[in-house]
Amino acid sequence: ETGVTQSPTHLIKTRGQQVTLRCSSQSGHNTVSWYQQALGQGPQFIFQYYREEENGRGNFPPRFSGLQFPNYSSELNVNALELDDSALYLCASSFRGRTYEQYFGPGTRLTVT
Amino acid sequence: KQEVTQIPAALSVPEGENLVLNCSFTDSAIYNLQWFRQDPGKGLTSLLLIQSSQREQTSGRLNASLDKSSGRSTLYIAASQPGDSATYLCAVPLNSGYSTLTFGKGTMLLVSP
Repeated sequence: ETGVTQSPTHLIKTRGQQVTLRCSSQSGHNTVSWYQQALGQGPQFIFQYYREEENGRGNFPPRFSGLQFPNYSSELNVNALELDDSALYLCASSFRGRTYEQYFGPGTRLTVT
Repeated sequence: KQEVTQIPAALSVPEGENLVLNCSFTDSAIYNLQWFRQDPGKGLTSLLLIQSSQREQTSGRLNASLDKSSGRSTLYIAASQPGDSATYLCAVPLNSGYSTLTFGKGTMLLVSP
């Protein structure tokens, strides 16, 4: 059974640029959630996707957007990057019927300069 | 809005000590609570999940308790080891409709040899 994978591991971008982060769900999981974790903070919920549609969203502006593909892999896109977007971005996959069991990927460390 | 607080923010103990990490939440209408471990710069590993109907869960040297009425959970680590050094996060569902989680800021634990 393959776990949750994320790419890239690290990324450095300049303020104002756009970035795409990728996540492959654990086999059999059809729901993916994205979280942002700033240094010294707990993860903050960004949004969740189920059946290729956004199923819920936290307190993040529209420049944070996502996609889920038929194979349940997912992307997080951030436009007009700001310095405060520097964080560890985590994705978590789960099965719709067992929504309390989330399996987290290793994260992507984004640095905005 | 659910808020999760963890105390202490950091803890340093010598190897072999028993220790307790605390987690409190503002909305007692939860249906589960999870404890996670996070190594520096890494993703999250689920340690224990307690359903709302349970009072505690045990896994090896770890024991987690839940008191919904008082909005508190504790994670007890017995006979601590240097390998236990990590940040420990507790999390509860954001609301009843989603499988997403709201996290505390974590307790950073250092166990010295």
